[in-house]
Amino acid sequence: SQTIHQWPATLVQPVGSPLSLECTVEGTSNPNLYWYRQAAGRGLQLLFYSVGIGQISSEVPQNLSASRPQDRQFILSSKKLLLSDSGFYLCAWSNSGQWDRRAGELFFGEGSRLTVL
Amino acid sequence: DAKTTQPTSMDCAEGRAANLPCNHSTISGNEYVYWYRQIHSQGPQYIIHGLKNNETNEMASLIITEDRKSSTLILPHATLRDTAVYYCIVGYSTLTFGKGTMLLVSP
Repeated sequence: SQTIHQWPATLVQPVGSPLSLECTVEGTSNPNLYWYRQAAGRGLQLLFYSVGIGQISSEVPQNLSASRPQDRQFILSSKKLLLSDSGFYLCAWSNSGQWDRRAGELFFGEGSRLTVL
Repeated sequence: DAKTTQPTSMDCAEGRAANLPCNHSTISGNEYVYWYRQIHSQGPQYIIHGLKNNETNEMASLIITEDRKSSTLILPHATLRDTAVYYCIVGYSTLTFGKGTMLLVSP
């Protein structure tokens, strides 16, 4: 069966410090991968998605970047965190395939709660 | 801009059916209707999706109007564990979540 893991689960970082959140998927190959953020009291915002190694699409301009160095690994990074980067970060995967009717069935990780002070 | 409109909150008695409405009047021909739910402090959970026809699975039923401009998610026998925020989303693979409907199931 497929599983998704992301870490760390919780972190507190000072403003201006770097960030690295990691997500890995097991039990599937060539998945679509996603990073979402949920700020306090708000809905989920799609930050990045990837359809393959080295292929990253950014949905909103921001202080963050994403990388996919391996097929089932997705990393969210920042060189200098801002207060506004605080939130609940969620990694997700879905089946790939342009015409796969299950492409929108997203499976989410446990989330990483980031507090920037 | 939100592509769907949902009520902010709804209440339901335990054991009764919960019917959650969603309007998506600008849906395009190849976009699916997806429903997810999110329990506090957890990642969203996929529930069901459909294109034109009504769908049913072990969790819920999805009723899509013939013009596809609205849909209803039905939880046939709501339990306390169904208390969550329910998101209705239209799209294909890159899904945009709105604010959803907070469903409170009470004893």
